[in-house]
Amino acid sequence: DAKTTQPTSMDCAEGRAANLPCNHSTISGNEYVYWYRQIHSQGPQYIIHGLKNNETNEMASLIITEDRKSSTLILPHATLRDTAVYYCIVLWVPRDDKIIFGKGTRLHILP
Amino acid sequence: GAVVSQHPSWVICKSGTSVKIECRSLDFQATTMFWYRQFPKQSLMLMATSNEGSKATYEQGVEKDKFLINHASLTLSTLTVTSAHPEDSSFYICSASEGVDEAFFGQGTRLTVV
Repeated sequence: DAKTTQPTSMDCAEGRAANLPCNHSTISGNEYVYWYRQIHSQGPQYIIHGLKNNETNEMASLIITEDRKSSTLILPHATLRDTAVYYCIVLWVPRDDKIIFGKGTRLHILP
Repeated sequence: GAVVSQHPSWVICKSGTSVKIECRSLDFQATTMFWYRQFPKQSLMLMATSNEGSKATYEQGVEKDKFLINHASLTLSTLTVTSAHPEDSSFYICSASEGVDEAFFGQGTRLTVV
């Protein structure tokens, strides 16, 4: 699986959009970009994934650059409950393979 | 969405005893499950891949005789920490996938060895 690079931490004001960047310059054509988050003392939670087109669901939007070397996860209206560690992961799909977690981005939502 | 459930959520055990943690896929069958360990302020570290009906595959540096994994059915995998010591105290998390899109994670088990 391709390696990803994320900022160690970010702050965002409550109610504002949180934009979390991820670099994956070695991504291959068959690999998807996945985002998970882990709220303190809980198991990771799936957020969204995409291949090349931008994706949106009830939780977030995923913007993937045209060259697919980077992406941005957008939480449109961040709340205090969005405080978590966010992991950007590149994976093959369909998948039954293991997920290797990097260090992720620790997002703090400020009141 | 699919649910993966772990039991117990937390456990305290005495040094030298063994502890079993269960991971169940509640509404789907999983031929493969994964076990992770997480120390405070660190990321999840993959320990092993649990394969239904066959031996688990352990990551480098993980002692297979200490962390026994059994995947006896398509909905249940167990991790047994044998002869636990305080350094085994950690947050243990399992995951499973239907093999199509996203993986689902259990809520985690916090093990404290005293």
